Amino acid sequence: GEDVEQSLFLSVREGDSSVINCTYTDSSSTYLYWYKQEPGAGLQLLTYIFSNMDMKQDQRLTVLLNKKDKHLSLRIADTQTGDSAIYFCAERTGGGSYIPTFGRGTSLIVHP
Amino acid sequence: GAVVSQHPSRVICKSGTSVKIECRSLDFQATTMFWYRQFPKQSLMLMATSNEGSKATYEQGVEKDKFLINHASLTLSTLTVTSAHPEDSSFYICSARFGQEAFFGQGTRLTVV
Repeated sequence: GEDVEQSLFLSVREGDSSVINCTYTDSSSTYLYWYKQEPGAGLQLLTYIFSNMDMKQDQRLTVLLNKKDKHLSLRIADTQTGDSAIYFCAERTGGGSYIPTFGRGTSLIVHP
Repeated sequence: GAVVSQHPSRVICKSGTSVKIECRSLDFQATTMFWYRQFPKQSLMLMATSNEGSKATYEQGVEKDKFLINHASLTLSTLTVTSAHPEDSSFYICSARFGQEAFFGQGTRLTVV
């Protein structure tokens, strides 16, 4: 299987919460990221979490990490139509490796 | 935050010609930049790591003579797709290392006709 796995699609109604899930295989992962990609654009770093953290909250975004299960999630509260995009989960180990391994991305569709 | 600018955002070229894509770090110096290729509905595929002042490190399966990378300064890396063919049509994205993070350019949509 792939090193970083995500479901490909998620559809939610505007105002609801969105939860995007990700699993990874590398137990030595030190940094875990969530990137957002809007159509035709590059990747925007949304947030990241260190492997020694369980949770990180930043405004409408909450990241949860279950290191035992190698499971990462991104919760977007009060989802808006402007949140429609592809969300990439990524991980990398520490040290000299600055190259994250990306999942295939979850396409979030927000309905009015 | 760190800003990475990539140009052009979109380019159409004829088969057999070469195309240069620029990646600039605007407010920081980047000793290391990365070039990715993204296929539709696929993740990012790392093509090469560009190191300032030295040769790029290419990932397995990436033709270094076809995808020329130059990182001549601390703020600029270029990717030249030589003798482009329709199968080279793709979305190319660069990123630059800043501290512990990598920040991405806006991407370049290359269409070879």
